[in-house]
Amino acid sequence: DTGVSQDPRHKITKRGQNVTFRCDPISEHNRLYWYRQTLGQGPEFLTYFQNEAQLEKSRLLSDRFSAERPKGSFSTLEIQRTEQGDSAMYLCASSNVGGHTEAFFGQGTRLTVV
Amino acid sequence: AQSVTQLGSHVSVSEGALVLLRCNYSSSVPPYLFWYVQYPNQGLQLLLKYTSAATLVKGINGFEAEFKKSETSFHLTKPSAHMSDAAEYFCAVSDTGGADGLTFGKGTHLIIQP
Repeated sequence: DTGVSQDPRHKITKRGQNVTFRCDPISEHNRLYWYRQTLGQGPEFLTYFQNEAQLEKSRLLSDRFSAERPKGSFSTLEIQRTEQGDSAMYLCASSNVGGHTEAFFGQGTRLTVV
Repeated sequence: AQSVTQLGSHVSVSEGALVLLRCNYSSSVPPYLFWYVQYPNQGLQLLLKYTSAATLVKGINGFEAEFKKSETSFHLTKPSAHMSDAAEYFCAVSDTGGADGLTFGKGTHLIIQP
């Protein structure tokens, strides 16, 4: 296993379009997290899953943001009707809560809304 | 609510000099504290974490941090800076060990002068 994988690495989209990002966690990890990082800022927590259950979603930025982890493996983050303010790096991380391991981060998906 | 303040958005040191990156936290319960490093266009990598065991925590790449409850601080140090240490450093806090996500500071950009 090579770590947390995110796809695509870069996405340019026009304002108003929908975008979807994928995250493949480390295979034995049961928790998966999404963060947003804007320029000059630290990562901002969005949501997380334990297996397929989404345990926290109140910090998703608006109802245009949604995330799924249907089979408890990979996850997707969708942004509908994108706005220029959505331009940011979207980071995924995973951890194994039972083993108390740290969260390992992927390289992120950089979104640019034009 | 938890929060993290990193003093100094940019820190510049000479190669071989002491590195000191400051982090102060706010938490209503005994915190778990983390330092992450981010290289350009990369995800975050854990340097070290404090989990209420020893107050002096040693991490990777020669970094260490000391938890001081009285000062609500968790400053990161390295005795001798190396050019490869140039990166963005983030301090983060959690009251659940990180299992429910982390609250990050805004980051400190470390510049190493030759």
